[in-house]
Amino acid sequence: AQSVTQPDIHITVSEGASLELRCNYSYGATPYLFWYVQSPGQGLQLLLKYFSGDTLVQGIKGFEAEFKRSQSSFNLRKPSVHWSDAAEYFCAESGAGSYQLTFGKGTKLSVIP
Amino acid sequence: DAGVTQSPTHLIKTRGQQVTLRCSPKSGHDTVSWYQQALGQGPQFIFQYYEEEERQRGNFPDRFSGHQFPNYSSELNVNALLLGDSALYLCASRQTGGETQYFGPGTRLLVL
Repeated sequence: AQSVTQPDIHITVSEGASLELRCNYSYGATPYLFWYVQSPGQGLQLLLKYFSGDTLVQGIKGFEAEFKRSQSSFNLRKPSVHWSDAAEYFCAESGAGSYQLTFGKGTKLSVIP
Repeated sequence: DAGVTQSPTHLIKTRGQQVTLRCSPKSGHDTVSWYQQALGQGPQFIFQYYEEEERQRGNFPDRFSGHQFPNYSSELNVNALLLGDSALYLCASRQTGGETQYFGPGTRLLVL
């Protein structure tokens, strides 16, 4: 069965500091990978996605992620965090043609002003 | 352009009751999926509807059923509610052939 691991349950960073959220996927073939963000009590907003091609993908709100097949990773990065980035971040994968998303348990991001 | 909408936003039921949640997909989208998100967890896939038929199903019991209407909107029905069914229920839609799913704000269900 597919699984997505987000090793960090909670991360706290200072405003203006850089951020990296880790994600490891299990799908053997080329997975479709996504990062979503969820503010308290809200649904999920898509930050970025990777299907194929350039392994560094740019998303909204200044986020980027890098696909590394050798490490089965798809880590999310942002060079300078803003207080409004405080939220929960979910990494998800699906196999080609499956359309069923498998999510990690999420990483909660707190931002210190 | 309206996104995915869900109703109601909140719902309180008692054990044994039945509940129906509703979802309208994003304009131009014809495929709807439902996910259950328990507190502190990531969303879990329940099932997906396309052309008014259930196409894929996750590891959920038959108490969870759904329907898709000709206008692509969808309902999620849960029978014989258990305390453990308390969760945020998320609807997501996508276009045929599209890989990206867009989520609604969810319906928060509390079972007492």
